[in-house]
Amino acid sequence: NAGVTQTPKFQVLKTGQSMTLQCAQDMNHNSMYWYRQDPGMGLRLIYYSASEGTTDKGEVPNGYNVSRLNKREFSLRLESAAPSQTSVYFCASSEYGGRGGTEAFFGQGTRLTVV
Amino acid sequence: SQKIEQNSEALNIQEGKTATLTCNYTNYSPAYLQWYRQDPGRGPVFLLLIRENEKEKRKERLKVTFDTTLKQSLFHITASQPADSATYLCALRRGKLIFGQGTELSVKP
Repeated sequence: NAGVTQTPKFQVLKTGQSMTLQCAQDMNHNSMYWYRQDPGMGLRLIYYSASEGTTDKGEVPNGYNVSRLNKREFSLRLESAAPSQTSVYFCASSEYGGRGGTEAFFGQGTRLTVV
Repeated sequence: SQKIEQNSEALNIQEGKTATLTCNYTNYSPAYLQWYRQDPGRGPVFLLLIRENEKEKRKERLKVTFDTTLKQSLFHITASQPADSATYLCALRRGKLIFGQGTELSVKP
């Protein structure tokens, strides 16, 4: 049982390059999330998917696109990378319980540097 | 806009003392609140969840309170140990899961 798996773990991009961060979970969760974490800023929500086929913007969506490929996979795409997108990216998943809810499980993170 | 604030300054305490971390929020009516622990270089790990109709929740040396009138949660670690040193994040959810910036806790022997 792997939980939440992110690939790659490290990446260096040049300004203007594109790339896709992959995330997969094997817990049959409905909800999946992408966050970025910068020093002193905590975790900021980029995009969120409540269930397969739906996506919604978070706090900092500009410069990113997402695809909920199926229930297991949720990818994050940078179409034209900028130095401001240098960060640690975390994918997470949880059950969606409306007014209830359960814990979120996180991947190990992707450390992205844009030069 | 919705805002979640935690103590921005690191908290330094002596081993054996109780650590108290604060989470305040504005323009938000969360269904429930969660606390996570994050160690350097790793993703956050869930610790406790408390619902809007609950005042207090306990788990071993951890205690969380939730005051929806004050829009505040307090997170306590009793009999703290150096192994408790980490960054602690609160998170609020009504649909989306939104995090505060975290408070770094350092427990000295």
